[in-house]
Amino acid sequence: NAGVTQTPKFQVLKTGQSMTLQCAQDMNHEYMSWYRQDPGMGLRLIHYSVGAGITDQGEVPNGYNVSRSTTEDFPLRLLSAAPSQTSVYFCASSSGQDLWWGTEAFFGQGTRLTVV
Amino acid sequence: GENVEQHPSTLSVQEGDSAVIKCTYSDSASNYFPWYKQELGKRPQLIIDIRSNVGEKKDQRIAVTLNKTAKHFSLHITETQPEDSAVYFCAASLKAAGNKLTFGGGTRVLVKP
Repeated sequence: NAGVTQTPKFQVLKTGQSMTLQCAQDMNHEYMSWYRQDPGMGLRLIHYSVGAGITDQGEVPNGYNVSRSTTEDFPLRLLSAAPSQTSVYFCASSSGQDLWWGTEAFFGQGTRLTVV
Repeated sequence: GENVEQHPSTLSVQEGDSAVIKCTYSDSASNYFPWYKQELGKRPQLIIDIRSNVGEKKDQRIAVTLNKTAKHFSLHITETQPEDSAVYFCAASLKAAGNKLTFGGGTRVLVKP
């Protein structure tokens, strides 16, 4: 199993450009999410999904869109990049099979995005 | 929504000493509390987790304790080694809320040889 795969690893955008960060998992996990990590801020939830066709906003959703057409893929779209979106982005997935308890989240290797 | 506070933000210990990191959470409904270790430039990886029906869990040199009444949980690392140097994050989640994790701000641990 490859686990959670993110592409690209590095990206530089100009202000106003749009792009899509890709995330794919091969563990048949129901839950997927996107976090951004800024220095000293920990990881903050952008958007998450509990299954194909179902998405919801997290703590910092503005400027980002997501969709979940398949169980495996959960792309994150930046609509019009701004310098404030310079960050490291992590995608994560976890199993939803336990009816009551949370389960381990597996993270992708991250995408380092710089907006100039 | 859930809020998780983590202290200290930095921690320097001598090799062989113990390290303790504390977290508090706000939502009494949260029932799953993982701890992640992140080495420089790498992805976060789970090192230990605890469910709300358990007060303590150990795995070799690391342990986690949970006090549901006070809404706080702690990570204990004994006999620290240089390879324990990393950033550690606590988190809280509730399965009914989509298993989304709310993270603390992180603790940078430096183990001095």
